[in-house]
Amino acid sequence: QQQVKQSPQSLIVQKGGISIINCAYENTAFDYFPWYQQFPGKGPALLIAIRPDVSEKKEGRFTISFNKSAKQFSLHIMDSQPGDSATYFCAASSTSGTYKYIFGTGTRLKVLA
Amino acid sequence: GAGVSQTPSNKVTEKGKYVELRCDPISGHTALYWYRQSLGQGPEFLIYFQGTGAADDSGLPNDRFFAVRPEGSVSTLKIQRTERGDSAVYLCASSQTLGSNYGYTFGSGTRLTVV
Repeated sequence: QQQVKQSPQSLIVQKGGISIINCAYENTAFDYFPWYQQFPGKGPALLIAIRPDVSEKKEGRFTISFNKSAKQFSLHIMDSQPGDSATYFCAASSTSGTYKYIFGTGTRLKVLA
Repeated sequence: GAGVSQTPSNKVTEKGKYVELRCDPISGHTALYWYRQSLGQGPEFLIYFQGTGAADDSGLPNDRFFAVRPEGSVSTLKIQRTERGDSAVYLCASSQTLGSNYGYTFGSGTRLTVV
């Protein structure tokens, strides 16, 4: 019940295309869902996060779509660029607890120039 | 400091040895987390500090692992009798308060290799 399932494991997109990464969770106590971007040799960096009181959040080229009833959320990267090539992790946590994150297994994104 | 600083960046140790990994959080951040990231996996929670106390250590895999944060700032993760399975990147993160809307800020990690 603590798992966060992430797919796909890897993704190749042409420059200018849309990258879509999906996550699903089981624990209904989760109420904070961040996405992190990680480059090789670096720690994860927060991209965007959403709480379940909204169904969508957009920041620049990055959009989170959230479906509370299905317990699913996704990251959309519009106009994907080669500089977006990185590993992306979704995560979930409960704000009534210690805010420890349960991370997905990651998606390695490659954007072709 | 400007970011979360972790030292050393790389550590190679022999099986059975003791290691200490250090984390300097962002100045003023009261919440501090340790995670472990194995190759090709997402980070896994180890322990969380709010101030000086360990508020949640449920992720520590066994009693060989211990962490301290004596003055509410710098934290040290200590691993006794290291095993090859302990090889991973150990990540530290901090946030301004518990449940910050800005999420955590992670350091670049310490890559631990046990040979």
